[in-house]
Amino acid sequence: ETGVTQSPTHLIKTRGQQVTLRCSSQSGHNTVSWYQQALGQGPQFIFQYYREEENGRGNFPPRFSGLQFPNYSSELNVNALELDDSALYLCASSRDRGSSRTEAFFGQGTRLTVV
Amino acid sequence: QKEVEQDPGPLSVPEGAIVSLNCTYSNSAFQYFMWYRQYSRKGPELLMYTYSSGNKEDGRFTAQVDKSSKYISLFIRDSQPSDSATYLCAMSTITSGGGADGLTFGKGTHLIIQP
Repeated sequence: ETGVTQSPTHLIKTRGQQVTLRCSSQSGHNTVSWYQQALGQGPQFIFQYYREEENGRGNFPPRFSGLQFPNYSSELNVNALELDDSALYLCASSRDRGSSRTEAFFGQGTRLTVV
Repeated sequence: QKEVEQDPGPLSVPEGAIVSLNCTYSNSAFQYFMWYRQYSRKGPELLMYTYSSGNKEDGRFTAQVDKSSKYISLFIRDSQPSDSATYLCAMSTITSGGGADGLTFGKGTHLIIQP
């Protein structure tokens, strides 16, 4: 059983640029959630994708958008980057949207630095 | 007031001690309670989850939920230096219609087990 993998591991971008982060979900999982973890804070829910559709969204502006593909991998896109977007971005996969409430398995994260 | 409060520590204890980690919360709609362990520069790893009130034991770990007090705990017996990490509590609700509102995390407690 393969785990959740994210790419790239680290990324440095300039304010105003756009970035795409990628996530491969665990085998057999059809639900992917994205979280932002600022330094010294707990992860904050960005949104969730279930069977290629957005299934819930946290308190993040529309410049945070996503996609899920037929193989259940996912992308997080952030436009017009701001300095405060610097954080660890975490992807979590779950067997289905119900189990995302209890058994969410996280990848190692992508460390984004905006300068 | 944040929805989930967790003392960031650091909490330093000698090897072999019993560790008690705690979170309080304000949202009475939370029904599922999770504990994650996060090593430096890694993604969170699910340790265990409980539903509603009560205790759950898994090896050296015991999770307790007291919904009347809005208080959850994680106990680690026979603590080891390898247990040194940040411990995050997380909570979720039962949503109608299947839409996700994600996991709500505490800030995490940094635990240090001294050899």
